[in-house]
Amino acid sequence: DIQMTQSPSSLSASVGDRVTITCRASQSISSFLNWYQQRPGKAPKLLIYAASNLQSGVPSRFSGSGSGTDFTLTISSLQPEDFATYYCQQSYSIRTFGQGTRLETK
Amino acid sequence: EVRLLESGGGLVQPGGSLRLSCAASGFTFSSYAMSWVRQAPGKGLEWVSAISGSGDATYYADSVKGRFTISRDNSKNTLYLQMNSLRADDTAVYYCAKDQIVEVVAGGDFDYWGQGTLVTVSS
Repeated sequence: DIQMTQSPSSLSASVGDRVTITCRASQSISSFLNWYQQRPGKAPKLLIYAASNLQSGVPSRFSGSGSGTDFTLTISSLQPEDFATYYCQQSYSIRTFGQGTRLETK
Repeated sequence: EVRLLESGGGLVQPGGSLRLSCAASGFTFSSYAMSWVRQAPGKGLEWVSAISGSGDATYYADSVKGRFTISRDNSKNTLYLQMNSLRADDTAVYYCAKDQIVEVVAGGDFDYWGQGTLVTVSS
């Protein structure tokens, strides 16, 4: 099974900050990596698919990069609504999620 | 508008059974694979099971293999999860999620999610 490891597990930042979250796969997954945002009490929302493609309706301050085993999600300028938990998910072999990164206000 | 509506959650004793349903609308149901994803209280997301658009292929996480069965009725636009031999660590909110492809192969992603249904396993 493919394991997904996110870092950091939690992150404190301020509105306007640039934030980067990392996701590492236990083996190469090409570009089959997706990112989701989950706000408390809500279902997850797809942000980025296939490593770097912005889902329709998602603000352009979100971007993704990487291939193989190492991937990043970047938020260029944090907005108040971005404080949430972020998950990576591989779709190379069935489906697996990372453990999540909680983005909190500093 | 795509809509996914889960139902069937509730309180069940350890060793018991429960059947979850997910009613889908707003898209051609049989054209997309579907999954169940769960989230234990205060924990992260865990993929549980997936099924191809036709229903011919099914997949399970090791944690539920042999206990849970995923199925779908494309004539009713409904996804199911039969959960047997339930344990306390199965307690979670269960989400159904729509994949963007018909088979559970490389390249999918979950573009729509339901609101979730809570399953509590406790005596």
